[in-house]
Amino acid sequence: DIQMTQSPASLSASLGETVTIECRASEDIYNGLAWYQQKPGKSPQLLIYNANSLHTGVPSRFSGSGSGTDFTLSINGVELEDLSIYYCQQGNSLPHTFGAGTKLELK
Amino acid sequence: QVQLKESGPGLVQPSQTLSLTCTVSGLSLTSNSVSWIRQPPGKGLEWMGVIWSNGGTDYNSAIKSRLSISRDTSKSQVFLKMNSLQTEDTAMYFCAIYRNNYGRYWGQGVMVTVSS
Repeated sequence: DIQMTQSPASLSASLGETVTIECRASEDIYNGLAWYQQKPGKSPQLLIYNANSLHTGVPSRFSGSGSGTDFTLSINGVELEDLSIYYCQQGNSLPHTFGAGTKLELK
Repeated sequence: QVQLKESGPGLVQPSQTLSLTCTVSGLSLTSNSVSWIRQPPGKGLEWMGVIWSNGGTDYNSAIKSRLSISRDTSKSQVFLKMNSLQTEDTAMYFCAIYRNNYGRYWGQGVMVTVSS
């Protein structure tokens, strides 16, 4: 199974700051990566798919990049509503696997 | 409007079988795939398996021997059955519409506790 390693595990940011979350796959997954946002007590919501495609309705301050084994989620100008846990997921090889998550908190 | 709703028992005894239902509205299961994902309290997400639009299934190798996913397209329902439950199976269980190998729409989840 492909292992997905996310870093950092937690991140403190000020409002308006630009932050970056990384996700590394244990083998080449091409562009088969998605990012999800999960707020407390809620189900995850898709943000980015195919590494860099913005899901419908997701604000443009979110962006994804990368291919192969190294991927990045960026939030350009953190807003209060962005304080959540973020997960990456590879969809290239079965079984599809998730990263452990990154908790974004307010500094 | 696409909606998914999970249902099932909140409490299951150890060694028993878990049966969950995901009821889908707003689209057809014959042209959409559905995945099950679970999340233990305070922990991350675990992909469990998927039933593809053509009815084929794939499962997480770690739980494959205990898991079965099926569907009734006429009722727009997808079913999860997992046997030999243990306390570590305590989790929130989600179903999601799976497109291009990603969860596009998610249900609210159902909490399952394994305890005697």
